[in-house]
Amino acid sequence: DAKTTQPPSMDCAEGRAANLPCNHSTISGNEYVYWYRQIHSQGPQYIIHGLKNNETNEMASLIITEDRKSSTLILPHATLRDTAVYYCIVRVYSGGYQKVTFGIGTKLQVIP
Amino acid sequence: GAGVSQSPSNKVTEKGKDVELRCDPISGHTALYWYRQSLGQGLEFLIYFQGNSAPDKSGLPSDRFSAERTGGSVSTLTIQRTQQEDSAVYLCASSSPADREYYGYTFGSGTRLTVV
Repeated sequence: DAKTTQPPSMDCAEGRAANLPCNHSTISGNEYVYWYRQIHSQGPQYIIHGLKNNETNEMASLIITEDRKSSTLILPHATLRDTAVYYCIVRVYSGGYQKVTFGIGTKLQVIP
Repeated sequence: GAGVSQSPSNKVTEKGKDVELRCDPISGHTALYWYRQSLGQGLEFLIYFQGNSAPDKSGLPSDRFSAERTGGSVSTLTIQRTQQEDSAVYLCASSSPADREYYGYTFGSGTRLTVV
């Protein structure tokens, strides 16, 4: 069973910020939040990850609530190329093995 | 190579035939995963290999599915007596349990299997 829940779809106007929510209310203390995206016909691509602090890289920002039960991926200026399915998963950072289930994700449609 | 390589990229096969899908993980990645993605669906876990440990086969949908990983590197997913419901994109991913691994999984581009 997926340990995260996401809305199945969202629209965003080109140039505006896209805010993609994810609920992970059963997250464990040693689990990180990872975001991936899958553009049509390609394998999922890593975007960003975090534990409890907000994170930012060249692709996106990740905001994690203080209780860590939810997070938001922010694409600050969405482009048409950001149209994709976005997956939020939780997993341990390193060591050991964890069978991770990817849910159906959020299908983000960026509109011109 | 720098990424996870899968072959073939596309495979069309007749119902009842066997197929083999290949995955070449990133060099040094000891963990290898196979996922399946049917049209419009999420990623379905199939099998996981970690080093020399026994693989986790709990996601394989039937005994027609099997996978091997030779020498801790290349993996082959075999589907025997293919059925139309096996049509999907089969994705391979690898990861490293090393402490400084940041990216979780690195996925290949997948093999699109069509059973006709």
